[in-house]
Amino acid sequence: GENVEQHPSTLSVQEGDSAVIKCTYSDSASNYFPWYKQELGKRPQLIIDIRSNVGEKKDQRIAVTLNKTAKHFSLHITETQPEDSAVYFCAASGVTGGGNKLTFGTGTQLKVEL
Amino acid sequence: GAGVSQSPRYKVAKRGQDVALRCDPISGHVSLFWYQQALGQGPEFLTYFQNEAQLDKSGLPSDRFFAERPEGSVSTLKIQRTQQEDSAVYLCASSNPGPGLSNFGPGTRLTVT
Repeated sequence: GENVEQHPSTLSVQEGDSAVIKCTYSDSASNYFPWYKQELGKRPQLIIDIRSNVGEKKDQRIAVTLNKTAKHFSLHITETQPEDSAVYFCAASGVTGGGNKLTFGTGTQLKVEL
Repeated sequence: GAGVSQSPRYKVAKRGQDVALRCDPISGHVSLFWYQQALGQGPEFLTYFQNEAQLDKSGLPSDRFFAERPEGSVSTLKIQRTQQEDSAVYLCASSNPGPGLSNFGPGTRLTVT
């Protein structure tokens, strides 16, 4: 089955700096890669996603890049703000008999310091 | 419109008790997923329904876990003879077919004492 690794596990940045979180996946059949933000005690919220036919996608201050050959993808947050502080999860999925079930990474605790 | 809802939000069970967790998906959503999220971990897939059919239950950790969606809408995850290792947040999500899973419920936090 799919295995997703995520680094770093914790990340501390100064307000206004950029943050980068990296993930690798094992199953070359995976073709969809979402990122979720989860605040303490809340549900995961989809913040951006990318499909395997695209190398990069951007939405305001967040962007995701995908390298299919190397099987890794990254989340980039620019001009970080205190409200960006949360746990971020990457995930991967492919179309299988189990619908589009997601395999999640272990999460990155992002702290944006004033 | 209403999102995915789950009940109860919190459940404390004594070891050995049976529990039932409910998920109300977004109306009309064909796909329904259950995930288990242990403290400090990412969600892990448990099971998947397409309408009333349970197409994948490969993530259920043991035969103490059972899920159903008899009419293709509301789903119930049942855990029999709960163990301490069952303590986690149980997340439900619904969607229509295709990639993308943006509709998670708030989760049920199960604590087994």
